[in-house]
Amino acid sequence: GQNIDQPTEMTATEGAIVQINCTYQTSGFNGLFWYQQHAGEAPTFLSYNVLDGLEEKGRFSSFLSRSKGYSYLLLKELQMKDSASYLCAPMDSNYQLIWGAGTKLIIKP
Amino acid sequence: IAGITQAPTSQILAAGRRMTLRCTQDMRHNAMYWYRQDLGLGLRLIHYSNTAGTTGKGEVPDGYSVSRANTDDFPLTLASAVPSQTSVYFCASSELSGSSTDTQYFGPGTRLTVL
Repeated sequence: GQNIDQPTEMTATEGAIVQINCTYQTSGFNGLFWYQQHAGEAPTFLSYNVLDGLEEKGRFSSFLSRSKGYSYLLLKELQMKDSASYLCAPMDSNYQLIWGAGTKLIIKP
Repeated sequence: IAGITQAPTSQILAAGRRMTLRCTQDMRHNAMYWYRQDLGLGLRLIHYSNTAGTTGKGEVPDGYSVSRANTDDFPLTLASAVPSQTSVYFCASSELSGSSTDTQYFGPGTRLTVL
């Protein structure tokens, strides 16, 4: 079957760095997406990885290891506005996104 | 209109009633999707459409139907609502389904409560 595993909740301090891990099992693989979702709002696209390695985009970076079925999202210089849920979504062989339940990130001053 | 719009924003519905959730996009995207999101669960795909005139079933299609008469609109209908359909519904679109670089963009959602 298809399965996504992310921590349910994480807490970090403003200005610090946090890493959100995601492990996945899918029927085929066509890349992995990370989305941010603030409470009561729609998910918004953050990053996409299809090859192994690190993709950097400002304060956010995303890493992928296809052989390990593993990805992480790295957030640097945390700001209060980064308090949100972060959704890991690999794309399967049918080009459908398989969504994890998300990691709720709480930022404390 | 800019992006994707959904209507209504929220709705309380009696069980057994028929309801249509509306979704319109102005990005000329080929593919559109309907998801439901429940607390503690990931987004679950209800139905999708790769292009106008075609639709497909997702992970949880029972009790829902869709149509795609044109590129812009993708309504979701609950023929006879039941309390288990209480959820937040998101519509999304992407430029080209079947591509590994295909990013989905989401509407603001409809919060539906079935009593």
